[in-house]
Amino acid sequence: EPEVTQTPSHQVTQMGQEVILRCVPISNHLYFYWYRQILGQKVEFLVSFYNNEISEKSEIFDDQFSVERPDGSNFTLKIRSTKLEDSAMYFCATSWDRDNTEAFFGQGTRLTVV
Amino acid sequence: QKEVEQNSGPLSVPEGAIASLNCTYSDRGSQSFFWYRQYSGKSPELIMFIYSNGDKEDGRFTAQLNKASQYVSLLIRDSQPSDSATYLCAVNDYKLSFGAGTTVTVRA
Repeated sequence: EPEVTQTPSHQVTQMGQEVILRCVPISNHLYFYWYRQILGQKVEFLVSFYNNEISEKSEIFDDQFSVERPDGSNFTLKIRSTKLEDSAMYFCATSWDRDNTEAFFGQGTRLTVV
Repeated sequence: QKEVEQNSGPLSVPEGAIASLNCTYSDRGSQSFFWYRQYSGKSPELIMFIYSNGDKEDGRFTAQLNKASQYVSLLIRDSQPSDSATYLCAVNDYKLSFGAGTTVTVRA
């Protein structure tokens, strides 16, 4: 079964450092998303990406965040200067359509900012 | 951000029983609705989606949608211990807006 692959599975970083989270989407999927889940809280939308540009972003996705698809396969989320409150699980999700009928989530990256 | 509300639970059911999960949503214009299962520390897994009013069945799972009442539910029949997880309701508006989830525990 096709799957979305995320690396690393766990990242520990010092406050103020930059981190890059990586995702390899399912090959025929066109729509890419990042979500995050702070421990004990609900899954929250960060950003959607289609045709090499951001389609929509939430209030959480401020200037410290960026996304790109540098090589046509990986889909990355960069946090420029991490804060303690960025500690969360970050999930990449991909879908072949905007209706998310076949949206699959990666296994997640647990980001811990110390 | 569309609001999605779920009973927080936890919901405890005996093995073999029916677990009933409820979800309401705020935007009357919402068109598609998803149920995901999330085991502790893992990512959400899609169970099923529903677009039309009425019932949709997939194995032991049945989703029910009532757009007039802005209500969607999930029934799990013949509950198994492996069904113990948090169940997430989500509304799609070209991104998924999730509820906080209902934790289900199936007692053997």
